[in-house]
Amino acid sequence: NAGVMQNPRHLVRRRGQEARLRCSPMKGHSHVYWYRQLPEEGLKFMVYLQKENIIDESGMPKERFSAEFPKEGPSILRIQQVVRGDSAAYFCASSPNNPRNIQYFGAGTRLSVL
Amino acid sequence: DQQVKQNSPSLSVQEGRISILNCDYTNSMFDYFLWYKKYPAEGPTFLISISSIKDKNEDGRFTVFLNKSAKHLSLHIVPSQPGDSAVYFCAASAQGGSEKLVFGKGMKLTVNP
Repeated sequence: NAGVMQNPRHLVRRRGQEARLRCSPMKGHSHVYWYRQLPEEGLKFMVYLQKENIIDESGMPKERFSAEFPKEGPSILRIQQVVRGDSAAYFCASSPNNPRNIQYFGAGTRLSVL
Repeated sequence: DQQVKQNSPSLSVQEGRISILNCDYTNSMFDYFLWYKKYPAEGPTFLISISSIKDKNEDGRFTVFLNKSAKHLSLHIVPSQPGDSAVYFCAASAQGGSEKLVFGKGMKLTVNP
């Protein structure tokens, strides 16, 4: 049973470009979460999605960031017009409906903005 | 506003001894707590969890204790092994919420052979 798959593992973008981060949840999991980790910090919640629905986006910056989890295919975290402050590790997690709240994480995408 | 706090950034112990990792929280709505272990360049790995209706949960070498009145939990690892060397994160979620996890900043554990 494959774990949570994230790609790419490393992504380099120049300021102003777009970044697309992909996440395929574990088989049978219908809940996807995105977190961001800045250096020397813990993980910060960004968004929680179920298939075709955004459930909670309270941690998402108001501009430039968007997320989706379509009926078919992986979840996508999209960052438009990246700035140096977007450089971080972005982790995706998935969970089944039960047991509550055990989220299983992918290896992350490390975004570097030049 | 740091709702989950891991006040010690690092801990070093000898192989075979006990490791005790501490975590404090401020939000009284938190009712589910988890510990994750993280190696460099990898994602967090789930270790153990505890619901607020319990005060202890044990899984092999790992035991988590919850003191609700003090808003404090701790992770005990015994005996500690060199492979336990990693960064440990405490996380919490609130009832009735979106199941989002609130993480502490992490603590680096080093187990010396």
